[in-house]
Amino acid sequence: QQQVKQSPQSLIVQKGGISIINCAYENTAFDYFPWYQQFPGKGPALLIAIRPDVSEKKEGRFTISFNKSAKQFSLHIMDSQPGDSATYFCAAAPMNRDDKIIFGKGTRLHILP
Amino acid sequence: SQTIHQWPATLVQPVGSPLSLECTVEGTSNPNLYWYRQAAGRGLQLLFYSVGIGQISSEVPQNLSASRPQDRQFILSSKKLLLSDSGFYLCAWRSGGYGGYTFGSGTRLTVV
Repeated sequence: QQQVKQSPQSLIVQKGGISIINCAYENTAFDYFPWYQQFPGKGPALLIAIRPDVSEKKEGRFTISFNKSAKQFSLHIMDSQPGDSATYFCAAAPMNRDDKIIFGKGTRLHILP
Repeated sequence: SQTIHQWPATLVQPVGSPLSLECTVEGTSNPNLYWYRQAAGRGLQLLFYSVGIGQISSEVPQNLSASRPQDRQFILSSKKLLLSDSGFYLCAWRSGGYGGYTFGSGTRLTVV
């Protein structure tokens, strides 16, 4: 069973701090790594994504760091805000769209005001 | 632009009653379609996926079934609901090429 391992399960960060969520994957056939943000009662929404030919992608306060050799990638949220409080899912997608995207189990992030 | 519609948003059903949740996608053709369930505070559990009309793959044996009668329509059904069927049901689609899933807004199902 292909897996994406996500940690931590939950995270509490002070406002203005850096939130870091880590993921590791096993299958080298993955070639697209999205992160999803989910607020209570809503569906997950694509936040940011990276392809394995780059080591970092930044969009505003959100950065993905990607280590292809270690099969690891992480989400960094700079200057974390209370509005960032949500559940975050990492995922790994194969290029063949008929193959399933594998999701991590999620991280519940709470930013203290 | 592509949009995904999922309804109803909330549903309360008695044990033993039937279920039908519908999902439709607009603005794309031949999407891959997915049904997920999410228990409270938990991760995403893939229930069914479909790569084409009439093609359904089941991930988890359970009390539910899925059908895809049209290219952009995906239906989740049950003949008799169980208490354990309660949860947050999400429909998603994926197009070709690079890209992840786009999720619908979800249906909160409570079986009483």
